[in-house]
Amino acid sequence: GEDVEQSLFLSVREGDSSVINCTYTDSSSTYLYWYKQEPGAGLQLLTYIFSNMDMKQDQRLTVLLNKKDKHLSLRIADTQTGDSAIYFCAETLLTGGGNKLTFGTGTQLKVEL
Amino acid sequence: ETGVTQSPTHLIKTRGQQVTLRCSSQSGHNTVSWYQQALGQGPQFIFQYYREEENGRGNFPPRFSGLQFPNYSSELNVNALELDDSALYLCASRQGASENTEAFFGQGTRLTVV
Repeated sequence: GEDVEQSLFLSVREGDSSVINCTYTDSSSTYLYWYKQEPGAGLQLLTYIFSNMDMKQDQRLTVLLNKKDKHLSLRIADTQTGDSAIYFCAETLLTGGGNKLTFGTGTQLKVEL
Repeated sequence: ETGVTQSPTHLIKTRGQQVTLRCSSQSGHNTVSWYQQALGQGPQFIFQYYREEENGRGNFPPRFSGLQFPNYSSELNVNALELDDSALYLCASRQGASENTEAFFGQGTRLTVV
């Protein structure tokens, strides 16, 4: 089955690291993604990881994947007020029937001064 | 700016009416997907169009239908609107239907059904 879960809310201080967690249930997932959504905006792709990788780092962002536990995390180093947004993890299966993204419920990150 | 534009940005409809939402995909992209995002939820996949044909569909009833045109722009049509159809509707365009190419999202259309 397909189900992606995230905690709803995270509050951090500016300059600290943020860690947003996600669990998924479909072990056939090929790629896992992190998207950012600011108020009134669409979705912005932050980063993604292929299912045979454990870690991916991209500037301030670090993605960790534990495929055994079906757990994905996004770490944002030196969190800034501009990072305040809702973060969605998503999984996808590459099939001949289209490339659909299954999203979690989103984690609202609030960065305080 | 992703190059994906949606129109209108907001609209209000009455229960039972029909609505058409439009999406202009990024240049060079031949695949468009539509998502429904209810308040406080993650986006839910409605369907995907590739080269003018539907090639994937989520758990939405037949009153949700779509079209893709030769220029790869797309429409989402919803008939017999229900109150629960109130949501942000997002379209995303990409190059290729099954490859892991990046999907670029538009700003969305906020539909309110009263």
